Amino acid sequence: EIVMTQSPATLSVSPGERATLSCRASQSVNSHLAWYQHKPGQAPRLLIYGASTRATGIPARFSGSGSGTEFTLTISSLQSEDFAVYFCQQYKNWPPLTFGQGTRLEIK
Amino acid sequence: QVQLQESGPGLVKPSQTLSLTCTVSGDSITSGPYYWTWIRQPAGKGLEWIGRIYTSGSTNYNPSLKSRVTVSLDTSKNQFSLNLTSVTAADTAVYHCARSSRISYYLDVWGKGTTVTVSS
Repeated sequence: EIVMTQSPATLSVSPGERATLSCRASQSVNSHLAWYQHKPGQAPRLLIYGASTRATGIPARFSGSGSGTEFTLTISSLQSEDFAVYFCQQYKNWPPLTFGQGTRLEIK
Repeated sequence: QVQLQESGPGLVKPSQTLSLTCTVSGDSITSGPYYWTWIRQPAGKGLEWIGRIYTSGSTNYNPSLKSRVTVSLDTSKNQFSLNLTSVTAADTAVYHCARSSRISYYLDVWGKGTTVTVSS
């Protein structure tokens, strides 16, 4: 089973600033990596797949990078609606598909 | 726009069977090459992939849960279901249903989730 590790667990950033979230895989997943946004009481939303491809309707301020074992989600200029939990998922090796523990992005 | 909605009992007794249903709206559950998936998240913990069913009816399960899990499809109701037997307090979680394509297994549509508590 591939273990996904996200850092930091909590990130405090001011609106308008840049946020950088990390995700590490215990072994290579090539580019089979997705990022999701999750707000309380809402369905998780797909942001990025293929490590760097934005999903339909996702604003350009969200970008993903990396391959192999190291991945980054960058939000270039934080909006109020961006404060949420973000988690990564690998889909190269299964079963099982595995997720990171999540990074909580909070307002500084 | 495809939407998913979980439903089922919020409280299950230990040793009993947890049964949840995911209703798909906005499209037919058999319209495309999709996997219909169950995922859960215990409070304070990360997401755990439980298992999935393809539109053909073939299934894949998390090895850690395989002996207790069944995912099934009801095309007449546009629903898919999760049965988890012999539950314990460790099965208390928010349960989400979701969809992925047959080609790439990222999850492009999710339900909001339903909370299930295992307690006597």
